[in-house]
Amino acid sequence: DVKVTQSSRYLVKRTGEKVFLECVQDMDHENMFWYRQDPGLGLRLIYFSYDVKMKEKGDIPEGYSVSREKKERFSLILESASTNQTSMYLCASSLFPEDSPSPYEQYFGPGTRLTVT
Amino acid sequence: DQQVKQNSPSLSVQEGRISILNCDYTNSMFDYFLWYKKYPAEGPTFLISISSIKDKNEDGRFTVFLNKSAKHLSLHIVPSQPGDSAVYFCAASSAYGNKLVFGAGTILRVKS
Repeated sequence: DVKVTQSSRYLVKRTGEKVFLECVQDMDHENMFWYRQDPGLGLRLIYFSYDVKMKEKGDIPEGYSVSREKKERFSLILESASTNQTSMYLCASSLFPEDSPSPYEQYFGPGTRLTVT
Repeated sequence: DQQVKQNSPSLSVQEGRISILNCDYTNSMFDYFLWYKKYPAEGPTFLISISSIKDKNEDGRFTVFLNKSAKHLSLHIVPSQPGDSAVYFCAASSAYGNKLVFGAGTILRVKS
């Protein structure tokens, strides 16, 4: 079974703090993704990476950065947390579609509920 | 601009009846569609998918129908069970990328 783990289930931070969210997958997947989930807005892509040290902006990258130094690990960084970044953050991983028996299927971690006060 | 739309925020169904969740998309380049289920405090889990070369895919109680001309897909759950109560997300991808575009989700409540 694919396992995607996230460093924290719940996190409370203060405005202006630098926040690190860590994600690790154990299935040697090339692609990794960071989303945020907000009521009525679904899952919105923040950043994704298709290889070590490679990153691409998603739909809402402002206020975030990412790091992928190892294939299995993808970190999301909030440089200076703000209250509008209070959300559920979800990490996911996947194979390249041509390598997968289930193309485009992404495997998700349990999520981190971040509250910024 | 929402490329994938789930226009029903919620749906309530009696146990044993059919649940039909709908999804519309605007991007004609999308050629692969997936449904995910999400329980509170858990990550989404993959349910079923369909390629644009098909118009139907079935897996047990779950069937996805695709109408390419209408840019519409639907997920049918028969019979619905209380454990199916969750948020259902529709997602789409194109052959030109590894990304998924998600809809806003539909909350399904199955009443016993």
